[in-house]
Amino acid sequence: ETGVTQSPTHLIKTRGQQVTLRCSSQSGHNTVSWYQQALGQGPQFIFQYYREEENGRGNFPPRFSGLQFPNYSSELNVNALELDDSALYLCASSNSGGALETQYFGPGTRLLVL
Amino acid sequence: GENVEQHPSTLSVQEGDSAVIKCTYSDSASNYFPWYKQELGKRPQLIIDIRSNVGEKKDQRIAVTLNKTAKHFSLHITETQPEDSAVYFCASYRGSTLGRLYFGRGTQLTVWP
Repeated sequence: ETGVTQSPTHLIKTRGQQVTLRCSSQSGHNTVSWYQQALGQGPQFIFQYYREEENGRGNFPPRFSGLQFPNYSSELNVNALELDDSALYLCASSNSGGALETQYFGPGTRLLVL
Repeated sequence: GENVEQHPSTLSVQEGDSAVIKCTYSDSASNYFPWYKQELGKRPQLIIDIRSNVGEKKDQRIAVTLNKTAKHFSLHITETQPEDSAVYFCASYRGSTLGRLYFGRGTQLTVWP
């Protein structure tokens, strides 16, 4: 098992609500990437945080936002939830700002939007 | 941007047989190719990876091959066991100022006893 943890494990929300997901990176890792995995699909890159700054973003709207804290843990915030936001949200930690590096995944947060 | 295609989407084999999963990528600058195994309800787990300066890498029953010219890479599992049953994802990575993984759509491998 990796040292990456996420909370909560499961979450049910209704359309229009807001949600915050949390990720603690593996010890010694300073980079956190967030991915959305819809049912039956591969993970899709949302954004990456390196040393508390957003270090790139995938094709997701601005209502997906994030933070990274001085201890390198991270939050993913999603505003104005839509039904299509239902998915497994994975964070992955690594120890560089984008150089060749292995990413270790957390167990994910399964979000259901009703 | 990068596009990773993965085939087949499902694969059924008898225990003891070999399984091969293939991926292609589009960005010639991609230089790192990991494979993840995801069991039902669990996190993607890195099982093997290969860098662009290497053509083949083996770890016990698992091997990965890379053809940079053709831009494809493959996962080979020999002597399959029922516990190999899972979804396998290939991914590509271009090390730069943004190190994101691009994933294939996954292959559901079922190993029958």
